[in-house]
Amino acid sequence: GQQLNQSPQSMFIQEGEDVSMNCTSSSIFNTWLWYKQDPGEGPVLLIALYKAGELTSNGRLTAQFGITRKDSFLNISASIPSDVGIYFCAGQMGGGSNYKLTFGKGTLLTVNP
Amino acid sequence: GAVVSQHPSRVICKSGTSVKIECRSLDFQATTMFWYRQFPKQSLMLMATSNEGSKATYEQGVEKDKFLINHASLTLSTLTVTSAHPEDSSFYICSATQTGGTDTQYFGPGTRLTVL
Repeated sequence: GQQLNQSPQSMFIQEGEDVSMNCTSSSIFNTWLWYKQDPGEGPVLLIALYKAGELTSNGRLTAQFGITRKDSFLNISASIPSDVGIYFCAGQMGGGSNYKLTFGKGTLLTVNP
Repeated sequence: GAVVSQHPSRVICKSGTSVKIECRSLDFQATTMFWYRQFPKQSLMLMATSNEGSKATYEQGVEKDKFLINHASLTLSTLTVTSAHPEDSSFYICSATQTGGTDTQYFGPGTRLTVL
């Protein structure tokens, strides 16, 4: 089946630092998504990418959809304590009845004040 | 917009009993809903795809007779864990896509199931 390789597995940073995480896949996806999950909560959508090469920002977050459609990265600038959580990438084939998401294993982010 | 709720948020039950979890799209219609399971420190694993008015499609390895899914309306899908056992203890999360919208999935807050 499809697999997403997400790295790093965890990160410990100081408040104010920038963060970068990425996902790669052996399969091509039509859509890449980045979610954040707080403990005991469901994932919350941060950024959705629909076109190869697309670079999209959401506040301090920036994500890009790789040209090959097999990778994506998420950057967080000037981190703050509330950025703590697990970040998941997800790929979606999309279209018709194939809405299924394939998730990466997540990146646990810890921000030290 | 695009709010998904789940009920209950937490449930503790005895082994052998059945538990029903509800997933509702509050401000949109959802022809398709998804059920995921997440074990501690692991990623979300898709269990099944639920389509309004038709039978759910289960992922490989997921027992359809154990995890009963009903999607009777455009705003409600239910997951019933039948004859629950301790190994069924997990975080169950649903998501929904907006009818006529993009393929973006909006997730519920999850239900923590503990089977004693």
